[in-house]
Amino acid sequence: DAGITQSPRHKVTETGTPVTLRCHQTENHRYMYWYRQDPGHGLRLIHYSYGVKDTDKGEVSDGYSVSRSKTEDFLLTLESATSSQTSVYFCAIGTDGSGANVLTFGAGSRLTVL
Amino acid sequence: GNSVTQMEGPVTLSEEAFLTINCTYTATGYPSLFWYVQYPGEGLQLLLKATKADDKGSNKGFEATYRKETTSFHLEKGSVQVSDSAVYFCALSESGGSYIPTFGRGTSLIVHP
Repeated sequence: DAGITQSPRHKVTETGTPVTLRCHQTENHRYMYWYRQDPGHGLRLIHYSYGVKDTDKGEVSDGYSVSRSKTEDFLLTLESATSSQTSVYFCAIGTDGSGANVLTFGAGSRLTVL
Repeated sequence: GNSVTQMEGPVTLSEEAFLTINCTYTATGYPSLFWYVQYPGEGLQLLLKATKADDKGSNKGFEATYRKETTSFHLEKGSVQVSDSAVYFCALSESGGSYIPTFGRGTSLIVHP
């Protein structure tokens, strides 16, 4: 099984402060994703990566940046957190299961911005 | 573009009842189809998948058949248990495409004893 860990699992911060969430995989999967999950909106893609230093925007990328300097780590940064970014954030890796792109998700990072 | 539509929830059932959660999709190519399940406090995990028309995915008593003619991938289970209470997400991914999956909004299932 693909190992994927997120840190921190819980964070409370104040408006205007920077926040970085980390996603770490134990294998060499090329695709990594950051989603946010909010009631009534389901899952929304923030950013994704298809290799080291190769990233692209998702549908809700405003206010977020990402970096991938190593295959195993994908960082999500909120440069200046706002209350609208209070959410649960999920990282996922893409694995090719019998020709289908199967996602394996982390356990989530709950962020509260006061 | 691609889209996935699944029934609004919550779906509330008694234990041992029959479950159907409807899912329909729109895709420009030939997608693979998935059901993911999210238990409380956890991330999503793959429940089952189907990669081509008429394929049936199955796992843990759940089944779904890839119906190209009706662009559907409905999830079914013959007898639900309290432990099946969770949120279920239908999703698609284009084969050989951009590897960006498209998710439905999720359907909450509540099973009462």
